Amino acid sequence: EDQVTQSPEALRLQEGESSSLNCSYTVSGLRGLFWYRQDPGKGPEFLFTLYSAGEEKEKERLKATLTKKESFLHITAPKPEDSATYLCAGNGGRRALTFGSGTRLQVQP
Amino acid sequence: EAGVVQSPRYKIIEKKQPVAFWCNPISGHNTLYWYLQNLGQGPELLIRYENEEAVDDSQLPKDRFSAERLKGVDSTLKIQPAELGDSAVYLCASSLETGYEQYFGPGTRLTVT
Repeated sequence: EDQVTQSPEALRLQEGESSSLNCSYTVSGLRGLFWYRQDPGKGPEFLFTLYSAGEEKEKERLKATLTKKESFLHITAPKPEDSATYLCAGNGGRRALTFGSGTRLQVQP
Repeated sequence: EAGVVQSPRYKIIEKKQPVAFWCNPISGHNTLYWYLQNLGQGPELLIRYENEEAVDDSQLPKDRFSAERLKGVDSTLKIQPAELGDSAVYLCASSLETGYEQYFGPGTRLTVT
């Protein structure tokens, strides 16, 4: 059974304090590792797709990386507007996304 | 480009009543998904359509849930009768093809009393 585990469950940072979110996955026949951002009361917003170990993608203060067992979302010098829940999902043999429970990030000014 | 549209945004019903949710995907997207999201959890797939064909409905509780995607565009998800445990957010998503990135609608928050 495909499984995606995210840690930590919640993270509180000061503005400018860089950190990383972890996503461990066991997904049969991985066809892509996806990162989404979700704000309260809204649907998930697509951020990145990673397909192979060693791949990296960046967008503003966010950088996603992928190994054979984990993915990391690095947040550099975060701002309060980066506060959200970040979801990781693997696309496997069922060709459907298996989501983790998310990391709730709060960035304080 | 318009995003995925869902309605209603909120729905409160009594248990045993029926309820329906509507989704209009991004134009040109062949694959449509319905997910259920409980508080503090990630979305869980209920059903996936490729055009008008339901190709993965293994997680859909078929005794009370049904879905359709007529003409391969809009989709409707129905629950009849609703139970207290059905209270959740129901998300619709679409993608160009299966396996591509999915784009989500704002969701419908269902409360069953």
